[in-house]
Amino acid sequence: EAQVTQNPRYLITVTGKKLTVTCSQNMNHEYMSWYRQDPGLGLRQIYYSMNVEVTDKGDVPEGYKVSRKEKRNFPLILESPSPNQTSLYFCASSPSTISSYEQYFGPGTRLTVT
Amino acid sequence: TQLLEQSPQFLSIQEGENLTVYCNSSSVFSSLQWYRQEPGEGPVLLVTVVTGGEVKKLKRLTFQFGDARKDSSLHITAAQPGDTGLYLCAGEGWDNYGQNFVFGPGTRLSVLP
Repeated sequence: EAQVTQNPRYLITVTGKKLTVTCSQNMNHEYMSWYRQDPGLGLRQIYYSMNVEVTDKGDVPEGYKVSRKEKRNFPLILESPSPNQTSLYFCASSPSTISSYEQYFGPGTRLTVT
Repeated sequence: TQLLEQSPQFLSIQEGENLTVYCNSSSVFSSLQWYRQEPGEGPVLLVTVVTGGEVKKLKRLTFQFGDARKDSSLHITAAQPGDTGLYLCAGEGWDNYGQNFVFGPGTRLSVLP
C-alpha cells in the first residue's frame, strides 16, 4: 500500500531533551515536507526537500533540523525542544510533477513538550 | 509571504443542503489544491486546479479556480454527514526565496443528519 508513515504517533517529552520524528514514504517521491498544525494557524511548512541531500527552510524552521540522506526518509529533529513546539506534526511527500506538487500526508505526530 | 484566507471559518448545515466555501489571496498561485482532513488523520487531497477559470467536479463537489489564479471556491451539492471535516486550500507558488507552499486556516464543516 502506498503510504507515508510517521513515528511515533504520540510523544510527550521534557524541555531540552533531543528527539527525532521519523518519516518514510514508499512511493519513490522526490519531494518531502514537514508541517506543524496549530489551532487558528493552520498548517505551516517547517522544512522541505526537493530531492536527496537538498533541503530548504519553510515558513517556521527555527528550532528544527532535517536531513535527506535517502529518498524515502525525511526525519525531523528537535535538538532542544521547547514548550512552544508542542503541536501536531505532519510529514508529506509529492511526486512533484512539472505543474504541481500534490502532497500525500502521513497520519501525524502529536508532540507535547513540558 | 503569501497568505490564504478561507471563509467561512465554521459551517454547520443540515443534510441535503448546498454550501460554498471560499479561499482567497492577494497573491497569484501556479496551482491550488483542496484537501479534507478528518480528526486524528492527515489531510487527503481532493483536487488540484492549475488553469485560471478551471472548473473540476468530483461527484457532488465542484471546484473552481479564479481567472486571476488568486482565489478558489468549493461547492458541495446535497451535503451528507460523510462530508463533515476540515477543508483546507493550499496554494503553490514561487517567490524570491524559492518554492512556496501555503495552506489556508481551513473551513470546519459539520453536516447534521
